[in-house]
Amino acid sequence: DQQVKQNSPSLSVQEGRISILNCDYTNSMFDYFLWYKKYPAEGPTFLISISSIKDKNEDGRFTVFLNKSAKHLSLHIVPSQPGDSAVYFCAAMGSAGNMLTFGGGTRLMVKP
Amino acid sequence: ETGVTQTPRHLVMGMTNKKSLKCEQHLGHNAMYWYKQSAKKPLELMFVYNFKEQTENNSVPSRFSPECPNSSHLFLHLHTLQPEDSALYLCASSQEWQITGELFFGEGSRLTVL
Repeated sequence: DQQVKQNSPSLSVQEGRISILNCDYTNSMFDYFLWYKKYPAEGPTFLISISSIKDKNEDGRFTVFLNKSAKHLSLHIVPSQPGDSAVYFCAAMGSAGNMLTFGGGTRLMVKP
Repeated sequence: ETGVTQTPRHLVMGMTNKKSLKCEQHLGHNAMYWYKQSAKKPLELMFVYNFKEQTENNSVPSRFSPECPNSSHLFLHLHTLQPEDSALYLCASSQEWQITGELFFGEGSRLTVL
């Protein structure tokens, strides 16, 4: 059973609008969360992370929100740009002894 | 070269072949990983090496055999694979194992088993 789930396999957004990518997790031991971005024919690259002691972390156009009670996190991209079109993976890890667990990814398409 | 480099980028092999995937990192990291990405599945961790020592083997079949001769190089030896092993194999590195979770990935080796 997947411990990290991204229920939307794809998302299409108009350039300039907000993109919201969602991720749910089941393991209450997870306390650190990351988002990775992957372009075709390239490996995933780290985008942004958040610790469970925070509920928000912002880096430029990218903001990650964490709702621990709901075991839910989201990545907001605003404004969205065509270059943001990629597959976005959510990942989670717990204290020492837990491995980084990835979600299945969401393909974001930003239309010009 | 910088970052994490994987060779070959594409590999086609028969079920009786023996081949190897190579990964090299130029980041001075101490942990290296092999991940498998199959179609419509999450990234699956296969092996972890920390300071050249294998710390995780995520129930991977013995037809996959990792080798880490030093902190900069990681190999995945393949033998008698099955068609369902066809996937993208990603190598990654990090400063240390399980400290921040921030991994640096290579571009992957696309494996097709006939």
